Amino acid sequence: KNEVEQSPQNLTAQEGEFITINCSYSVGISALHWLQQHPGGGIVSLFMLSSGKKKHGRLIATINIQEKHSSLHITASHPRDSAVYICAVRTGNTPLVFGKGTRLSVIA
Amino acid sequence: DAGVIQSPRHEVTEMGQEVTLRCKLISGHNSLFWYRQTMMRGLELLIYFNNNVPIDDSGMPEDRFSAKMPNASFSTLKIQPSEPRDSAVYFCASSLDRVSEAFFGQGTRLTVV
Repeated sequence: KNEVEQSPQNLTAQEGEFITINCSYSVGISALHWLQQHPGGGIVSLFMLSSGKKKHGRLIATINIQEKHSSLHITASHPRDSAVYICAVRTGNTPLVFGKGTRLSVIA
Repeated sequence: DAGVIQSPRHEVTEMGQEVTLRCKLISGHNSLFWYRQTMMRGLELLIYFNNNVPIDDSGMPEDRFSAKMPNASFSTLKIQPSEPRDSAVYFCASSLDRVSEAFFGQGTRLTVV
């Protein structure tokens, strides 16, 4: 079973700061997902990627297949970015395996 | 489409009672996943279906848990009898197939007292 580790577990940032959240996994994967869970509890899929980099607005996700590592970056962070960010990986057709999440608080 | 719809949003029940959680998939989606989220263990897969057929139920904690898909657009997760350790948020998610992006419902927060 793939082991997914996220760091940091908790992160507090000032509004405007550049934020990086890391995800490492133990076994080669077919896809990696970044999810966002807001304080209300709903989960939203941000990215699904298997190589390279994807960008959506102020969010950028990168993955290094050789190093089994992905990063989620948030530029010009804002209090509304406060949420739990969850990394999840898939190997072949197997279901997603989730990290424990990174709790981000952005202070105005 | 309104997205994945779960009901109820919150459920408080006494230990020993039967609990039924419901999920309506996005129209056209063929895969359905039930997850449980706790502070200690994070998100865990309980069971998933593909084309109404259960594919992997190895995450179901014990026989007290059962899940069904009576049709292509609806699923239930039942706990009987419920125990306090079942308290968690239960999420349902659907996707076009097993490997496509998953869309999550808002979750059901279950408290067993």
